[in-house]
Amino acid sequence: TQLLEQSPQFLSIQEGENLTVYCNSSSVFSSLQWYRQEPGEGPVLLVTVVTGGEVKKLKRLTFQFGDARKDSSLHITAAQPGDTGLYLCAGPPLNNAGNMLTFGGGTRLMVKP
Amino acid sequence: DAGVTQSPTHLIKTRGQQVTLRCSPKSGHDTVSWYQQALGQGPQFIFQYYEEEERQRGNFPDRFSGHQFPNYSSELNVNALLLGDSALYLCASSLFMRGTALHFGNGTRLTVT
Repeated sequence: TQLLEQSPQFLSIQEGENLTVYCNSSSVFSSLQWYRQEPGEGPVLLVTVVTGGEVKKLKRLTFQFGDARKDSSLHITAAQPGDTGLYLCAGPPLNNAGNMLTFGGGTRLMVKP
Repeated sequence: DAGVTQSPTHLIKTRGQQVTLRCSPKSGHDTVSWYQQALGQGPQFIFQYYEEEERQRGNFPDRFSGHQFPNYSSELNVNALLLGDSALYLCASSLFMRGTALHFGNGTRLTVT
């Protein structure tokens, strides 16, 4: 079973601070996705990283895929209260023909004004 | 363009009862996947339906079953409910091809007492 471990599990910061959350595995993934989930809602896809070493930016969010495609990070610059939510990484298991995803346990972020 | 819709939004059942949850996929999508998200955890894959057949299944007992209808909508059935089945049940729709993005509904919150 390919597992994804996320750290930290919880993060509480002040508005304007920077933060990084991590998603690690001992297995190689062909791609990794990052989702944000707000209370009472389903996860919403933020980005998909496919190539080892790839960096993608989405406004104040920077996503990186590790060179060996076993890990990924999400960096948020100047966090805002609207960034509050559960951040989930997910990837398709190897040798899986469909598009099922394995999810990490999530990082719950709270940004205080 | 309606996204993924799930019903009901909340449900309370007693141990031993049976429950049916419903999902309508996003317009144009042909595949429905079901995930279970326990409190404070990431979603776990239950199964996936395409062309009215179960195509992939996660590590869930036979008490969990499903169905997909010709209009691509889907049902998740859980028999002999246990307290541990209390969770948010998420439906995700997509195209069947590997690597296509999942679009999640807002889930059904099931509480088993």
